[in-house]
Amino acid sequence: DAKTTQPPSMDCAEGRAANLPCNHSTISGNEYVYWYRQIHSQGPQYIIHGLKNNETNEMASLIITEDRKSSTLILPHATLRDTAVYYCIVRPNFGNEKLTFGTGTRLTIIP
Amino acid sequence: GAGVSQSPRYKVAKRGQDVALRCDPISGHVSLFWYQQALGQGPEFLTYFQNEAQLDKSGLPSDRFFAERPEGSVSTLKIQRTQQEDSAVYLCASSLAGPNTEAFFGQGTRLTVV
Repeated sequence: DAKTTQPPSMDCAEGRAANLPCNHSTISGNEYVYWYRQIHSQGPQYIIHGLKNNETNEMASLIITEDRKSSTLILPHATLRDTAVYYCIVRPNFGNEKLTFGTGTRLTIIP
Repeated sequence: GAGVSQSPRYKVAKRGQDVALRCDPISGHVSLFWYQQALGQGPEFLTYFQNEAQLDKSGLPSDRFFAERPEGSVSTLKIQRTQQEDSAVYLCASSLAGPNTEAFFGQGTRLTVV
């Protein structure tokens, strides 16, 4: 079962920051938070992951609360190409490396 | 560079027909995963290989589903006696060894059983 809760859909104006929330209140100490996105008719694409510190890369920033029970993915300047389903996933740092997807957040960027 | 390649991209099968779906992972990637994605749902795990060893097949929905990776590179997912509920996109992903790694996905094979 997916261990995360995300809103089913969100809209964001083009050029603005898109903030996608995720609750993972049962996360354990050895689990990472991963974010993937899936653009229509494509396979999922890795975005970013983190354990407890905030992370930033060329695609996005990941803010994890101090208690690690929730996180936010930030796309700083959303473009139309960012329209996709975004998946927040918790993944153990040992054993089977599979990803357990939920239903994600469908993000629509509005021109 | 070359990513994960899946073939065919689309497959239409008559109910009862056997199908084979191919995955070419990124060269050097030890781990290989198969997922099934029904329309409007997130991908669901089917099976996992580390090199040629199938370490987890807990997600395979029935004994009609069989996966292999005999030489630790290319993998094939076979579905015997296809049924309409097998209609889905089948995704393959590969990654380097170790849990703290990024998985790269192919574009998937869309299987339609008629």
